[in-house]
Order: sequence, then structure tokens, then C-alpha cells
Amino acid sequence: DIVMTQTPLSLSVTPGQPASISCKSSQSLLHSDGKTYLYWYLQKPGQPPQLLIYEVSNRFSGVPDRFSGSGSGTDFTLKISRVEAEDVGVYYCMQSIQLPPTFGQGTRLEIK
Amino acid sequence: QVQLQESGPGLVKPSETLSLTCTVSNDSISNYYWTWIRQPPGKGLEWIGYIYYSGNTNYNPSLKSRVTISVDTSKNQFSLKLSSVTAADTAVYYCARQLIFWGQGTLVTVSS
Repeated sequence: DIVMTQTPLSLSVTPGQPASISCKSSQSLLHSDGKTYLYWYLQKPGQPPQLLIYEVSNRFSGVPDRFSGSGSGTDFTLKISRVEAEDVGVYYCMQSIQLPPTFGQGTRLEIK
Repeated sequence: QVQLQESGPGLVKPSETLSLTCTVSNDSISNYYWTWIRQPPGKGLEWIGYIYYSGNTNYNPSLKSRVTISVDTSKNQFSLKLSSVTAADTAVYYCARQLIFWGQGTLVTVSS
């Protein structure tokens, strides 16, 4: 299985400040079709995960533009330009280039 | 927008079979891949497997010997069976359309 490693595992951010989460995969997520199968999710307390970013940098429908994704190969980053109170929860990266899809351990974001 | 709802017993005895159903609304199950994922309390996400409406399945090798996913297109539902459960199978079980739209999840506890 591909191992996904996130850092940091927890983050405490003042509202209005930026935040960044790193995700590294044990193998390249670049497919021969040219796409890179890296996704970001946010799991708010008591809710299922919700898709934020697909294929590294594409925001899913309805996701605010303060969320952005970048990276290539095995190194990826999720950035929040200005954290808001509603952004609290656990962020997961996930790969789906190879079955089974695997998730990072999660990064817990709290508000200072 | 598609809606998914998990249903089934919240308590299963050790060594028995866990059975859950996911009912899909506002979409036809005769499209896409339909997925089961689980999350032990306070822990990360584990992909269980998926089924295509045609019946084609793929399972996580870590669970493959115990998992069966089936589809009932007439009821717009798909189902999960996990046999020989232990306490380690206690988790919130989610169904999802691909890994984009998720149900709210249902907690299944394995205990005598």
C-alpha cells in the first residue's frame, strides 16, 4: 500500500492567519494519463469527510478560494490563506492512484 | 444533489457478521462506483472496497477474506457484509459515491 504521511499532526492558528499542511506519499502519484491522484478532505467535528481539493489543486464545488493545493510527484501541500473559525477539524490527504486508496493520519486544526 | 444513508444494526456480537445497507437518493446507482469506508473511534480512515452497478467489486486486501459488497439496482441500494467481526471492527462505517459524496456514517460496535 502507498503510505501517506502528513505534517504537522496538529495546528493552532489565529483567525485571519495562514495555515499549511504537508503530505508526502511513499510513491509518486503521477499517473501515465498525466493526472496526479492526490485529494484533500476536511472532517468537521461529528461529520463525514468533505472533499476540498481533487487532483492536487482543483477546488471542489463550493469550496472557498482561501483553500489551495499544490505539489507534484510525492510532495503536496494544502494552504489556507486566511483561517476562519469554520475551518476547524481534521484534514486528510488521500491517494487513489493505486488500490487500495490510502489516507494520511490527519492534521487537526484548531483556532487560537 | 446525491444523498446517501447508511442503515443497519449498531451492535454486533464477536464472530458474527456485520451487515449494512446504503440507500442512495437523487441519483441512480447505475452509474459511478459506490464505496464503503470506515473510521474507528478517534482514528483515521480506512477504505473497505467499492462496487460498480454491474457488480464488479474491489476490496482492500487487508479485509478481502471477510468482505462482501453487493448492489441492488431495483432498490437503489448497495450493501456491506463483514464476517467474523472482532472488537477491532468497531468503527463508524460510511458509504460514499466514489469518494466524493459521503453519507453521515453509522457507528457499529462489536461487543458481546
